[in-house]
Amino acid sequence: GNSVTQMEGPVTLSEEAFLTINCTYTATGYPSLFWYVQYPGEGLQLLLKATKADDKGSNKGFEATYRKETTSFHLEKGSVQVSDSAVYFCALSERGYQKVTFGTGTKLQVIP
Amino acid sequence: GAVVSQHPSWVICKSGTSVKIECRSLDFQATTMFWYRQFPKQSLMLMATSNEGSKATYEQGVEKDKFLINHASLTLSTLTVTSAHPEDSSFYICSASTSGHVYNEQFFGPGTRLTVL
Repeated sequence: GNSVTQMEGPVTLSEEAFLTINCTYTATGYPSLFWYVQYPGEGLQLLLKATKADDKGSNKGFEATYRKETTSFHLEKGSVQVSDSAVYFCALSERGYQKVTFGTGTKLQVIP
Repeated sequence: GAVVSQHPSWVICKSGTSVKIECRSLDFQATTMFWYRQFPKQSLMLMATSNEGSKATYEQGVEKDKFLINHASLTLSTLTVTSAHPEDSSFYICSASTSGHVYNEQFFGPGTRLTVL
């Protein structure tokens, strides 16, 4: 079956530091890949997505590249801000199927 | 963008009572809605998938008689937690998707915090 593995948190960074959150996946087909963000007390918001190999998703300074050869979709940001503090979920969805498989989430805390 | 709302945002109830949570797609028609339960250590568990006008499909281990799901229209799905107990206390999140999206994007509601005393 499908699965998503994320690095365990929490991740604590100083403001303006470089962020990487690792994500690898297992899927039987050619999935679409997502990063969702959840701010405290809120639901999930789609941060970025990539639908095929070598696609790069980007939004709000965050980037992730769909690497089929390494089955990875690592999230990066060059300079984090305190407002980026949240929980980040990596996820995948097989084409033609509605079900989304989530990773366990990685909590990011950015300190001034 | 597509907006999904949930009501209530939080609820406290006594053990043994039933609680209904509503999930609405505000600006699009949701052919499929999903209900998730989020545990304190962040993991998001899919409880069930519902398509408008048909019975929900429950994930393994989820009691369908305890978590009643109704998807009566293309904009509304409800989750009823029947005879709630303290172990049902959790954060419940719904999401909605519409046909025609190649990448099956789901739009999430803000969640409902349920506390059973």
